[in-house]
Amino acid sequence: AQTVTQSQPEMSVQEAETVTLSCTYDTSENNYYLFWYKQPPSRQMILVIRQEAYKQQNATENRFSVNFQKAAKSFSLKISDSQLGDTAMYFCAFMKHGGSQGNLIFGKGTKLSVKP
Amino acid sequence: NAGVMQNPRHLVRRRGQEARLRCSPVKGHSHVYWYRQLPEEGLKFMVYLQKENIIDESGMPKERFSAEFPKEGPSILRIQQVVRGDSAAYFCASGGTVNTGELFFGEGSRLTVL
Repeated sequence: AQTVTQSQPEMSVQEAETVTLSCTYDTSENNYYLFWYKQPPSRQMILVIRQEAYKQQNATENRFSVNFQKAAKSFSLKISDSQLGDTAMYFCAFMKHGGSQGNLIFGKGTKLSVKP
Repeated sequence: NAGVMQNPRHLVRRRGQEARLRCSPVKGHSHVYWYRQLPEEGLKFMVYLQKENIIDESGMPKERFSAEFPKEGPSILRIQQVVRGDSAAYFCASGGTVNTGELFFGEGSRLTVL
């Protein structure tokens, strides 16, 4: 069975600085997707960034980038130039490719606070 | 708003009552997924449905819980004879026919069982 571990329950960062959120996962699959979702106080889950395991290049979306280390089964999220609106819970998630679509395995989340 | 719509946003039930949660997917999406989020936890997959079919219910409790996605109308997650442990946020997500790995989530329905 796949598992996703987020070892940092809470983190804080000063506005405009950079922060990295950690995520490790365990799987015997070779092809899969990894995601970072953001859940602000409104509770809606918003996709931040997605990585396909067969792609070597790390995904980037504006201020958000990942460090995907497939051999180490690590998938960290870097937020550059942090903004107050980045304050939220961040969830790392895994999905097996070709399996039951949408069966995402989530970590327990990291609560990020961006301080002015 | 063409996103995933869930209602009600908040639902309060007494133990033993029934709870019905509704989800309308993104227009054009035929795949619906239900997740449950307990306090201080990540989301846990419950069930995956396509129109009129349950594809994967491996995360659904065997008793009291059921889900449907009829040909017409929203998907419904039904919890019979609710207990306090059912108190949680229930999220619906939808996806298209091509498995891109991306799901679109609704804002969730928070069930409180008194």
